[in-house]
Amino acid sequence: AQSVDQPDAHVTLYEGASLELRCSYSYSAAPYLFWYVQYPGQSLQFLLKYITGDAVVKGTKGFEAEFRKSNSSFNLKKSPAHWSDSAKYFCALDISNTGNYKYVFGAGTRLKVIA
Amino acid sequence: EAAVTQSPRNKVAVTGGKVTLSCNQTNNHNNMYWYRQDTGHGLRLIHYSYGAGSTEKGDIPDGYKASRPSQENFSLILELATPSQTSVYFCASGEGANTGQLYFGEGSKLTVL
Repeated sequence: AQSVDQPDAHVTLYEGASLELRCSYSYSAAPYLFWYVQYPGQSLQFLLKYITGDAVVKGTKGFEAEFRKSNSSFNLKKSPAHWSDSAKYFCALDISNTGNYKYVFGAGTRLKVIA
Repeated sequence: EAAVTQSPRNKVAVTGGKVTLSCNQTNNHNNMYWYRQDTGHGLRLIHYSYGAGSTEKGDIPDGYKASRPSQENFSLILELATPSQTSVYFCASGEGANTGQLYFGEGSKLTVL
């Protein structure tokens, strides 16, 4: 079965530090992976995606993510972190190549950046 | 710019009542989705659609119906609302290709008393 795991429900760090939010997935086919961000009281916004090619993908707002097939991970990174990065982050797996255009979301990681 | 709008944004309903959440997209996307977001669960897929006239069951369809009368509109219907359906509901549209991202609406907060 397809699944996405974000093992850290909460992450807190100081402004200026490096952030890395973890995401692992389970999927038998080639994964299409996404990160979305949800600011307080708002909807979800697209950050970046990995489809194929370079393992490191860059997205909006200075974020990047590294795809590692060896351990089925797709971690989100940013350095330095800013207080405005405080939000909830969701990792998602596109399982469209099963024939259904569906996405599986992780439970999310709530990031708090202390100024 | 891609746009997905939901209505109502806030709704209080009584147990046993009927609730309809509406979603409109101007993206001309074939695929539309309804998710609910609850603490600790992330987003869970309720129903989705590949185009006008089609609806598909997602991962948690029980207690919900969906309707896609046109390319632009996708509704989620709770015929007999229950307190367990209290949640925030998000509509999204997508291009339908393997590489497409989702565009989300602002969310509809439903409280069932």
